[in-house]
Amino acid sequence: QVQLQESGPGLVKPSETLSLTCTVSGGSISSYSWSWIRQPPGKGLEWIAYMYYSGSTNYNPSLKSRVTISVDTSKNQFSLKLSSVTAADTAVYYCARSVTITFMDVWGQGTTVTVSS
Amino acid sequence: QSALTQPPSASGSPGQSVTISCTGTSSDVGGYNYVSWYQQHPGKAPKLMIYEVSKRPSGVPDRFSGSKSGNTASLTVSGLQAEDEADYYCSSYVGSNNFVVFGGGTKLTVL
Repeated sequence: QVQLQESGPGLVKPSETLSLTCTVSGGSISSYSWSWIRQPPGKGLEWIAYMYYSGSTNYNPSLKSRVTISVDTSKNQFSLKLSSVTAADTAVYYCARSVTITFMDVWGQGTTVTVSS
Repeated sequence: QSALTQPPSASGSPGQSVTISCTGTSSDVGGYNYVSWYQQHPGKAPKLMIYEVSKRPSGVPDRFSGSKSGNTASLTVSGLQAEDEADYYCSSYVGSNNFVVFGGGTKLTVL
């Protein structure tokens, strides 16, 4: 059974780059596609990005200029980088498995990232 | 791209049925059969309940069903149980920019 675990700094300074990693266990990262989603405190979900197992990517148009996702098949991990962060980027960040771009069927537990000086 | 529109809250008594709506546009909900529904309990990760409008993943009770008419999708929970109390989010594929948009979420209360 596939399990996902997010990791990365819990605190990031404004204007810096947020970097998170999702480690996939119980299955090969090359067999599926993967997504990042976030949830600001007390608010709803926001889709961030999607990576097809071949490496092609799709980004939320509102975040596209600041987001990069990548995969490291040797470590069975995929990553998120969000540049020039502000307090508005404070959220719980989730990684998820996507059978297709249209839905996410396995989710990590989420990791809280706070943007503050 | 605006978020899909969901009612902030819904409620029902145990055993009853409740329906949650999710309204978009012809560019998202109305244009594709790619609506999904997620259940989220407090402090927990979302859980996929419905995908491609009406399909249920393995393990999801058949009390949960999905449908769509025009630009509005719906999630119906039949035979409400206490453990169904949670936040529910819809999502849809947006073909114009090839991404996904979520609804604002609906808090379901079991009275």
